[in-house]
Amino acid sequence: AQKITQTQPGMFVQEKEAVTLDCTYDTSDPSYGLFWYKQPSSGEMIFLIYQGSYDQQNATEGRYSLNFQKARKSANLVISASQLGDSAMYFCAMREGVYTGNQFYFGTGTSLTVIP
Amino acid sequence: EAGVTQFPSHSVIEKGQTVTLRCDPISGHDNLYWYRRVMGKEIKFLLHFVKESKQDESGMPNNRFLAERTGGTYSTLKVQPAELEDSGVYFCASSQDPPTGFGEQFFGPGTRLTVL
Repeated sequence: AQKITQTQPGMFVQEKEAVTLDCTYDTSDPSYGLFWYKQPSSGEMIFLIYQGSYDQQNATEGRYSLNFQKARKSANLVISASQLGDSAMYFCAMREGVYTGNQFYFGTGTSLTVIP
Repeated sequence: EAGVTQFPSHSVIEKGQTVTLRCDPISGHDNLYWYRRVMGKEIKFLLHFVKESKQDESGMPNNRFLAERTGGTYSTLKVQPAELEDSGVYFCASSQDPPTGFGEQFFGPGTRLTVL
């Protein structure tokens, strides 16, 4: 079964508007971490935001926030006030277990295009 | 501080040839990971080194793939002989995990491998 599911292959958003990128996950481990990475056309993977399974509050980092709904196993990324530089691929990822050396499981990614 | 670097950035080879990819992690990072993204699919884990030891190689597709990390510094991933289905982007990541909690993985820009 897919550990991470991103159902939106492509998304468009008007500049300065907010956009939500969907991510659902599947795990039976009570301890896990959820991550979002951005991959611009230059290819590097840029870490955006992290949410731990035991965190009580939704994570926020500047214009990025993570809408964490544990019961629904969803970890959607919200980008507020979109900018042209936000156009990129966005990957949701999960890491399971207390041992922090475990691998990441990634989704297939969402390609976001910000329209001027 | 230098990030994770990968060489080459692109490689085009013919089926049956050998290719060696190199990854230089962030200095001092004990954990080194290899991932691969085949076009349109999710990024998949290949293997994980802790220093020079293979911690987890469950994602290696077959014995045509050989990864090494001599001395616990840089790592190489050799594909011999290459097949068409090996085409994709190979990412390397490194981390220096804390004893508990999460450890962000820092990704390199990837090597785009095309097998003709």
